[in-house]
Amino acid sequence: QVQLVESGGGVVQPGRSLRLSCAASGFTFSNFGMHWVRQVPGKGLEWVAMIWYDGYERYYADSVKGRFTTSRDNSKNTLYLQMNSLRVEDTAVYFCAKGGNEYVLDSWGQGTLVTVSS
Amino acid sequence: SYVLTQPPSVSVAPGKTATITCGGINIGSKSVHWHQQKPGQAPVLVVYEDSDRPSGIPERFSGSNSGNTATLTISRVEAGDEADYYCQVWDRSSDHLVFGGGTKVTVL
Repeated sequence: QVQLVESGGGVVQPGRSLRLSCAASGFTFSNFGMHWVRQVPGKGLEWVAMIWYDGYERYYADSVKGRFTTSRDNSKNTLYLQMNSLRVEDTAVYFCAKGGNEYVLDSWGQGTLVTVSS
Repeated sequence: SYVLTQPPSVSVAPGKTATITCGGINIGSKSVHWHQQKPGQAPVLVVYEDSDRPSGIPERFSGSNSGNTATLTISRVEAGDEADYYCQVWDRSSDHLVFGGGTKVTVL
């Protein structure tokens, strides 16, 4: 079955950088678009970024555009989120999710917590 | 940017029907997906493309979409259905994925 495992979260100071990874298994990773979604504890879901199956197109939420970059290595079945110039308001649990037809998010990882604090 | 509006909360007695709405301009022209999230857990897809169910999701979960409102209906509600529910669409005009604010379903 589909398995998505995020890693790389932790505590980081404002203005610093962090890279998240999402290891995928149980499906042909190179055939599917992938997404990042975040959630401030106790709040709703916020979409962060999407990358096409081949990495050719990438889309970002306005709140992270220019600071975050998503990429993928299809040879390693791994999705990445490079987060630069982090802000306190970026503190959240970050989920990766597998995309499907009509941009459905049909499988989710368990998430990794990023805390931005001085 | 495209906005999806959900009621913050819905309360329902066991065995009854819960109806969760998701409002958006001409949402009937989009594919709507619904996710269930229980406390401390990752979301789970329960309805996709307006009204289809992934394998393993009970038939009690159904969806519809027309005009400016999409609806998730949970029939014969059980205690285990208590969770937050989010609607989701892709906005082609902005190439952004959009979530509704979420609806907390409480089973009385």
